Amino acid sequence: DAGVIQSPRHEVTEMGQEVTLRCKPISGHNSLFWYRQTMMRGLELLIYFNNNVPIDDSGMPEDRFSAKMPNASFSTLKIQPSEPRDSAVYFCASSFGGTSYEQYFGPGTRLTVT
Amino acid sequence: AQRVTQPEKLLSVFKGAPVELKCNYSYSGSPELFWYVQYSRQRLQLLLRHISRESIKGFTADLNKGETSFHLKKPFAQEEDSAMYYCALSGRGAQKLVFGQGTRLTINP
Repeated sequence: DAGVIQSPRHEVTEMGQEVTLRCKPISGHNSLFWYRQTMMRGLELLIYFNNNVPIDDSGMPEDRFSAKMPNASFSTLKIQPSEPRDSAVYFCASSFGGTSYEQYFGPGTRLTVT
Repeated sequence: AQRVTQPEKLLSVFKGAPVELKCNYSYSGSPELFWYVQYSRQRLQLLLRHISRESIKGFTADLNKGETSFHLKKPFAQEEDSAMYYCALSGRGAQKLVFGQGTRLTINP
């Protein structure tokens, strides 16, 4: 099993452009999480899905950010338009079940907005 | 509000010395606490969780509700323990994890 897959691994874009990050969770997992990691704020949960349904999006910073999970094997995080302050590492994680269940993290996407 | 505080951003100890990574939390109910670790060039992964009461790679962590702490300890540090360590909290029955800022542990030879 390749684990959680994220693409691209690195993304460099100009301010104002649309950015789409992709995640494939581990097969059989029913929860998916998007995190953002920065030096200033550490690791923050942006949004999570349970059975493809968004459960908590209170961490999404603003309307420029949106996330979808059209099926159990795919999710996207979109930033439109992107800004330099969005530069960070974005992680996707998946788990099976509820609390106390281990979250499995992807390798992350390093986003740089110039 | 849920909050996890790791007061040390950087911690450096010598091989063979004891290690303690501090974690304090703020939560009004009964939390579940975790330690996650990220080794160089590897993914963030679960190290241990308080409900398991287990020792992983020689590390243990005890939940102290009176002091609202969940410090990670190892009696004799090894070079391969060098990594970034994150303490995390979830509310009982909740899936959402709140992470601390992380502590970068360096074990010197």
